[in-house]
Amino acid sequence: QVRLQESGPGLVKPSQTLSLTCTVSGASTSSGDFYWGWIRQPAGKGLEWIGRIYASGSTVYNPSLKSRITMSVDTSKNQFSLRLSSVTAADTAVYYCARSVRSCSSTTCWDKWFDPWGQGTLVTVSS
Amino acid sequence: DIQMTQSPSSLSASVGDRVTITCRASQSISSYLNWYQQKPGKAPKLLIYAASSLQSGVPSRFSGSGSGTDFTLTISNLQPEDSATYYCQQSYSTLLTFGGGTKVEIK
Repeated sequence: QVRLQESGPGLVKPSQTLSLTCTVSGASTSSGDFYWGWIRQPAGKGLEWIGRIYASGSTVYNPSLKSRITMSVDTSKNQFSLRLSSVTAADTAVYYCARSVRSCSSTTCWDKWFDPWGQGTLVTVSS
Repeated sequence: DIQMTQSPSSLSASVGDRVTITCRASQSISSYLNWYQQKPGKAPKLLIYAASSLQSGVPSRFSGSGSGTDFTLTISNLQPEDSATYYCQQSYSTLLTFGGGTKVEIK
C-alpha cells in the first residue's frame, strides 16, 4: 500500500521560508511512472495545486507561486520536499503531498490524477 | 488558466436519493477530468478519473460522465457516509486546477 506523510514545522514567521518534506512508503520516488506533487488548502476553502517534481528533479510550478517555490527530490531517502519563501498569512493552509500518474505522448508528459494523498499538515504563518 | 466551475456549491438530500453535481471547464478539456471526495479533516480521495472511470475500491453508486466542457458526478442511492465535499480537477493543462467544491449534506 502506498503511503505519503508530510512533515515540517507547523508555525512559520512572516517573511521566512516554509519547508515541508513528504516521505513515501510502498512506492519509489525514482519511478518513471509518477510525478510527486504538492497541493494546499486554506481553512474552509478549495484546493490549490502548488507544483510537482519528477524523479529526475525536473519541476513544474504554479505560476502564481513560481517565484517563491523550490521543490526537490531525494530518491535515496524516498522523499521529496517543498520550500516556499517570503511567506505571509495568505500562505496559511493545510499542505498535502500527493502522487500523480504520469502519462506521455511522443512529445510531452503530463499529470493525470492524484492518488494517493498524504494526510496533510497545517502550516500557520504568524509572528 | 483553465477555470473549473462547480454547481451547486452545496446541496442537501435524503438517503437513497440520486444526486448530481456539475463541473464546467472554461475551455474544452476532452476527458481530462477527475473527481475527489473530501471528508472533514481528511485528505481528498480519488473517486473518478478520466471523466468516467471508477477508481478501485470506490462504490459503484458513484459514476461520472461528460467530455469537452461539461461533466457530471452522480451518486445514486445516497448513503450517510457520502456526506462530504466533492471536487473536480482538470489535468488537460500543465497548470492543474480544481473546482470550488460541492458540499453534500444528508437530510
